[in-house]
Amino acid sequence: AQSVTQPDIHITVSEGASLELRCNYSYGATPYLFWYVQSPGQGLQLLLKYFSGDTLVQGIKGFEAEFKRSQSSFNLRKPSVHWSDAAEYFCAVRRSNDYKLSFGAGTTVTVRA
Amino acid sequence: EPEVTQTPSHQVTQMGQEVILRCVPISNHLYFYWYRQILGQKVEFLVSFYNNEISEKSEIFDDQFSVERPDGSNFTLKIRSTKLEDSAMYFCASSDRINTGELFFGEGSRLTVL
Repeated sequence: AQSVTQPDIHITVSEGASLELRCNYSYGATPYLFWYVQSPGQGLQLLLKYFSGDTLVQGIKGFEAEFKRSQSSFNLRKPSVHWSDAAEYFCAVRRSNDYKLSFGAGTTVTVRA
Repeated sequence: EPEVTQTPSHQVTQMGQEVILRCVPISNHLYFYWYRQILGQKVEFLVSFYNNEISEKSEIFDDQFSVERPDGSNFTLKIRSTKLEDSAMYFCASSDRINTGELFFGEGSRLTVL
């Protein structure tokens, strides 16, 4: 069964600083990979996804993620965070012909002024 | 932009009562899902639904749960006899295809069982 690990439960970053959120997955083949963001009181919004091709994917809100097969990782990055980026971030994975997403436990990002 | 809408946003119920959570998926989508998130825990898959039948369900989705698409627009999750441990945020999602299909999530329905 596939699993997703987000090693960092909580990250605090200063506004304007860079941000990197880690995600590792366990799966036999290359899965479909996703990052979602959940702002307080909101639903899950897709930031970006990887299915195949270029391993560096660009998403919304200035986020990008890099798929590294050798490390089974799909880390999310943003060069300069804004206060509005304070939220919970979830990495998720599914197989190409599967219906369900498996989510990581999430990383809460706090942005300080 | 089309979106998935869920009602109610918050429901409080007594243990043992039946609850129905409602979702209106994006109109041209064919695949529908329910996920839940117990406070402080992971978002967990409950069930997927396609072509008017369940396509996959998790072990969480026992006989107390059922899903239905009663009228071609709504997609409902029913919990027959709620338990305290059913308290969670329930998310509905939809997608237009299985391969490379992005899941669009609603804002969730928070269920509190007393």
